[in-house]
Amino acid sequence: SAVISQKPSRDICQRGTSLTIQCQVDSQVTMMFWYRQQPGQSLTLIATANQGSEATYESGFVIDKFPISRPNLTFSTLTVSNMSPEDSSIYLCSVLGDRVYEQYFGPGTRLTVT
Amino acid sequence: SQQGEEDPQALSIQEGENATMNCSYKTSINNLQWYRQNSGRGLVHLILIRSNEREKHSGRLRVTLDTSKKSSSLLITASRAADTASYFCATDAYNYGQNFVFGPGTRLSVLP
Repeated sequence: SAVISQKPSRDICQRGTSLTIQCQVDSQVTMMFWYRQQPGQSLTLIATANQGSEATYESGFVIDKFPISRPNLTFSTLTVSNMSPEDSSIYLCSVLGDRVYEQYFGPGTRLTVT
Repeated sequence: SQQGEEDPQALSIQEGENATMNCSYKTSINNLQWYRQNSGRGLVHLILIRSNEREKHSGRLRVTLDTSKKSSSLLITASRAADTASYFCATDAYNYGQNFVFGPGTRLSVLP
């Protein structure tokens, strides 16, 4: 299994600002995923981040709004840019385990935009 | 889309009772998984069932898969207050690689 930490655990931000969320894994992994979970909703995949290549974004998500970095095999960041109240969500990172189809999730970052 | 969809959306039961949640999906899949999320925290993987399996057990959990009906069920037996959480199914399709699509989830409340 993989142990994943995220920083910050929560934040309250003002409209128009940006927040960078960090995801740290205790082992080297090829693929990392970023999800958004809006209040009371399910998870929606934002993008897949592979080390050494550009992130692959899902429909409805763009790099200018959600830039992602993946500098090494244990770390990634997601930035939520020019925030609006609609960006208030929980943002979760995840990785694939040794059993390829099992994902391990970080504890999430609860973002509130005022 | 091949999104999984759970029902019921919310379920409230007494401690000791069994809880059954259902998941439906639209396209062929490789695997179906169930996850638990406590109070807006990260998700915890519960169980995976492959497309060629019909039933799987893990402790108090029993998962069934009916690929002809494109549906799965999660049964939690002898529920406990600590089982109170949201439960999500997640599917991955043959053509969707390793990306998972999560259903809307079932919010389970187990009353003491």
